[in-house]
Amino acid sequence: GQNIDQPTEMTATEGAIVQINCTYQTSGFNGLFWYQQHAGEAPTFLSYNVLDGLEEKGRFSSFLSRSKGYSYLLLKELQMKDSASYLCAVVSNDYKLSFGAGTTVTVRA
Amino acid sequence: IAGITQAPTSQILAAGRRMTLRCTQDMRHNAMYWYRQDLGLGLRLIHYSNTAGTTGKGEVPDGYSVSRANTDDFPLTLASAVPSQTSVYFCASSDSRGADEQFFGPGTRLTVL
Repeated sequence: GQNIDQPTEMTATEGAIVQINCTYQTSGFNGLFWYQQHAGEAPTFLSYNVLDGLEEKGRFSSFLSRSKGYSYLLLKELQMKDSASYLCAVVSNDYKLSFGAGTTVTVRA
Repeated sequence: IAGITQAPTSQILAAGRRMTLRCTQDMRHNAMYWYRQDLGLGLRLIHYSNTAGTTGKGEVPDGYSVSRANTDDFPLTLASAVPSQTSVYFCASSDSRGADEQFFGPGTRLTVL
């Protein structure tokens, strides 16, 4: 089975930095996705990592360590619109996507 | 505008009734998926299709069936709805199965009483 863990909730101040951690134990590994989901809306793609290291995309960065079964999503210069759930998802050996329960980030003024 | 649509947006259904959730994409994606999202459990894969004419079971397939007669449509049927199927259902598609980004529809909120 798949086991993907991420914190349930995080709160941060506008302009600050927040790091959302994700640890996983899965049947094989073919990459890790981060999705953003605003309340009542569909998930939207943020990043994909398949090799170790940091991928930077504007204010958002994603890091992967395959040997540790660990990833994080870094959100910099937080804005109110970043208040959302962030979903970690792992592609297993059979190419199925398994999602964590999501981390709800609340940005306060 | 290219994308993926779902219908209905929401539905209240009596237990024991049959219900089909519709999903259509116009991106010519080969792979399509159905997920359910429940509080505290995240998104769970119900069924998937790698290409038109093929389907496969996901993590929680019991009580659901799908068909993929063509590239664009991927309906999900609940043959006899039960209250535990109360959830938000998302359809998604990707260019191919695997590590391609999945695009999600707006979701269907289903309540089974």
